[in-house]
Amino acid sequence: DTGVSQDPRHKITKRGQNVTFRCDPISEHNRLYWYRQTLGQGPEFLTYFQNEAQLEKSRLLSDRFSAERPKGSFSTLEIQRTEQGDSAMYLCASSPEGVGGYTFGSGTRLTVV
Amino acid sequence: AQSVTQLDSHVSVSEGTPVLLRCNYSSSYSPSLFWYVQHPNKGLQLLLKYTSAATLVKGINGFEAEFKKSETSFHLTKPSAHMSDAAEYFCVVSEESYGQNFVFGPGTRLSVLP
Repeated sequence: DTGVSQDPRHKITKRGQNVTFRCDPISEHNRLYWYRQTLGQGPEFLTYFQNEAQLEKSRLLSDRFSAERPKGSFSTLEIQRTEQGDSAMYLCASSPEGVGGYTFGSGTRLTVV
Repeated sequence: AQSVTQLDSHVSVSEGTPVLLRCNYSSSYSPSLFWYVQHPNKGLQLLLKYTSAATLVKGINGFEAEFKKSETSFHLTKPSAHMSDAAEYFCVVSEESYGQNFVFGPGTRLSVLP
């Protein structure tokens, strides 16, 4: 396993379109996180899964955003009716049990035009 | 609620001189603290972590940080900067009691001059 993989690396979409991102965590990690990072800012927490259960959601995650991890392995993050303000880097991370640090993927950069 | 302050948005040092990146945190519980580095167009990489063991933590690439509870600080240092250290550095706090998410500071951009 080479780490956390995210696909695609870059996505350009027109305002109003739907987009979906995928994250493949490290296989033995049961925790998976989504973060959003805008230019010049630190990453902001969006949501967190333990196995297939979505245990926590940030208030940043509006009803246009939905995340799933159906089999407790890979996860998808969908944004419906994209807005220009959704333009950001979307980061996925995974970790084992305990607070030992996350392993981050390289991110998906979304540009909404 | 937990929070992180990184006092400098940009630090510039000459190659071979010491690096100091400052971080202060706020936490109601005994936190875990981390430093991550992000090179341009690259993912976040863990430099080091403090999880209630030794207060002086050594990380990769010659970096270290000292946890000072009385000062609520976790400053990152390196004795001698290298050109490859130029990147964005994030201080992170995590509290088990607030769920499993990290709270990132705003970041400090380190420039290394030849």
